[in-house]
Amino acid sequence: NAGVTQTPKFQVLKTGQSMTLQCAQDMNHEYMSWYRQDPGMGLRLIHYSVGAGITDQGEVPNGYNVSRSTTEDFPLRLLSAAPSQTSVYFCASRDGLVNEQFFGPGTRLTVL
Amino acid sequence: AQRVTQPEKLLSVFKGAPVELKCNYSYSGSPELFWYVQYSRQRLQLLLRHISRESIKGFTADLNKGETSFHLKKPFAQEEDSAMYYCALSGSGAQKLVFGQGTRLTINP
Repeated sequence: NAGVTQTPKFQVLKTGQSMTLQCAQDMNHEYMSWYRQDPGMGLRLIHYSVGAGITDQGEVPNGYNVSRSTTEDFPLRLLSAAPSQTSVYFCASRDGLVNEQFFGPGTRLTVL
Repeated sequence: AQRVTQPEKLLSVFKGAPVELKCNYSYSGSPELFWYVQYSRQRLQLLLRHISRESIKGFTADLNKGETSFHLKKPFAQEEDSAMYYCALSGSGAQKLVFGQGTRLTINP
């Protein structure tokens, strides 16, 4: 079991560029989430999904899009990157019965 | 609305001293509370949850509904406890987990 995997580990973008952060899990978990981690702000929920085809907004959804076409994958899209999106991004998953989230290793994104 | 507050961004104690990391929450229903920990160069992982009422690595946390708190305690700190600690809340039947701002704990030798 690889658990939750994220790619890339590091990324540098220029303002206005677009990119997709990849997240996959092999535990057949229903729930998946994206968080951003900023100093002094903790972990803030961007978007989450309760199953394939179902997504919802978290605390800080602006500037990000998600989709969930399969149980395994939950990509996060930045359509037009801004310096305020410089952060560390974590993907997480959990099943419907046990309320424990499993986190990926994170993606460190810098927007210049 | 769900809200979690960790008032201390940084906490530094000496090895062998007691540790208490504070967590207060705001939620109108019956919440489920958690402590997650992130050691250096490791993934964020679950430390303990209030419903299991267990002690993990010597840490305990009691849910106080009257004070809406879920403080994390350990009687004797060890150097390997140095890490970033996050308190988190999940509302009843809710799918999302809301985190506090985190407390960086440093144990001095």
